Amino acid sequence: GAVVSQHPSWVICKSGTSVKIECRSLDFQATTMFWYRQFPKQSLMLMATSNEGSKATYEQGVEKDKFLINHASLTLSTLTVTSAHPEDSSFYICSARDSGANVLTFGAGSRLTVL
Amino acid sequence: LAKTTQPISMDSYEGQEVNITCSHNNIATNDYITWYQQFPSQGPRFIIQGYKTKVTNEVASLFIPADRKSSTLSLPRVSLSDTAVYYCLVSQGGTSYGKLTFGQGTILTVHP
Repeated sequence: GAVVSQHPSWVICKSGTSVKIECRSLDFQATTMFWYRQFPKQSLMLMATSNEGSKATYEQGVEKDKFLINHASLTLSTLTVTSAHPEDSSFYICSARDSGANVLTFGAGSRLTVL
Repeated sequence: LAKTTQPISMDSYEGQEVNITCSHNNIATNDYITWYQQFPSQGPRFIIQGYKTKVTNEVASLFIPADRKSSTLSLPRVSLSDTAVYYCLVSQGGTSYGKLTFGQGTILTVHP
């Protein structure tokens, strides 16, 4: 079945630094990928839709200059948290849809801790 | 996007059948119903999807009445490893499928 890989699975960084998270579709091409954020004991919240070869579409309240998304190929989308602060600490999850299915495949998630 | 309502939590015991019902009164004609399972610190995992009537796979069954305003996920003979959060989602199918709005989910706890 479809597999989505995320890297890193966890990262700790200092406040003010930037962190990049990669999301890859391993056995299928994804023109669209989605980035979610999940705080402890809460549900997933959609942050943005990543479109291959074009600008990402951000959900209301999500700062596009804070969360930079690049979808340079049909199998790779990256999320960069710029100038990270402790309040950005969260679980970030990407997902992608195999073009032939009505199902989203999710990555394992990336735990970001900003000190 | 159709909003869903499901119980916040449920408790069960090993070997029992668990039924989790989700309400989606505003479901649209083109919407599919999908259930995902999430373990702590992991991404959600697809369980089952349906449009109407009954769907069954190797891990669960999904019952959808004719009016499609609700659906019931049935997990037969649960084990401790089924303890997780279960999300019911409704989303348009086809090329538009993708932007999912997650509700609160149902925390299922399976006891020995």
